[in-house]
Amino acid sequence: QKEVEQNSGPLSVPEGAIASLNCTYSDRGSQSFFWYRQYSGKSPELIMSIYSNGDKEDGRFTAQLNKASQYVSLLIRDSQPSDSATYLCAFHSGYSTLTFGKGTMLLVSP
Amino acid sequence: NAGVTQTPKFQVLKTGQSMTLQCAQDMNHNSMYWYRQDPGMGLRLIYYSASEGTTDKGEVPNGYNVSRLNKREFSLRLESAAPSQTSVYFCASSEMAGVLETQYFGPGTRLLVL
Repeated sequence: QKEVEQNSGPLSVPEGAIASLNCTYSDRGSQSFFWYRQYSGKSPELIMSIYSNGDKEDGRFTAQLNKASQYVSLLIRDSQPSDSATYLCAFHSGYSTLTFGKGTMLLVSP
Repeated sequence: NAGVTQTPKFQVLKTGQSMTLQCAQDMNHNSMYWYRQDPGMGLRLIYYSASEGTTDKGEVPNGYNVSRLNKREFSLRLESAAPSQTSVYFCASSEMAGVLETQYFGPGTRLLVL
């Protein structure tokens, strides 16, 4: 059974700090990985996708993938209170649809 | 361009009642999905439709049926609602199911079954 593990949090960081969110997955056949952000009472929205080992940067966000260790992480630089949300990790193995983790709640304090 | 729309936004049902949740997308996507989200359980796939004319079961299909009415619309039906089906339901769509897919979510339907 494919599984995604995330620390439920909350992860608390002060404004301006780097927030580091981590995710591990069980399926070695996984080929693509996604980070979704979900504000309370809202729907998930895609913020990053990554397919190859290494880092991918987009503005203040950096996704890091290590397939050998089966983990993917999301770094948020210069964290803002507006980044406070639940972050969902998801992966696709190519044989089925996305498998989502339960999410990590991030709280950024002013 | 509204993206993915869902109706209703909120619904209260009594045990045993039936209802249909509606979903439509205007992005010309081939694939559509229904998820439920419960506290502490994350997003769980109920059913999906990889393309018009096809539907497949996801992780938690029991108690639900779906219809891919056309390329734009994908409905979810509860024939006899149970309190265990109290949840937030999200519809999503993607251009094509597969490794490179990006799913776009609707605003959700909050369902309470008494």
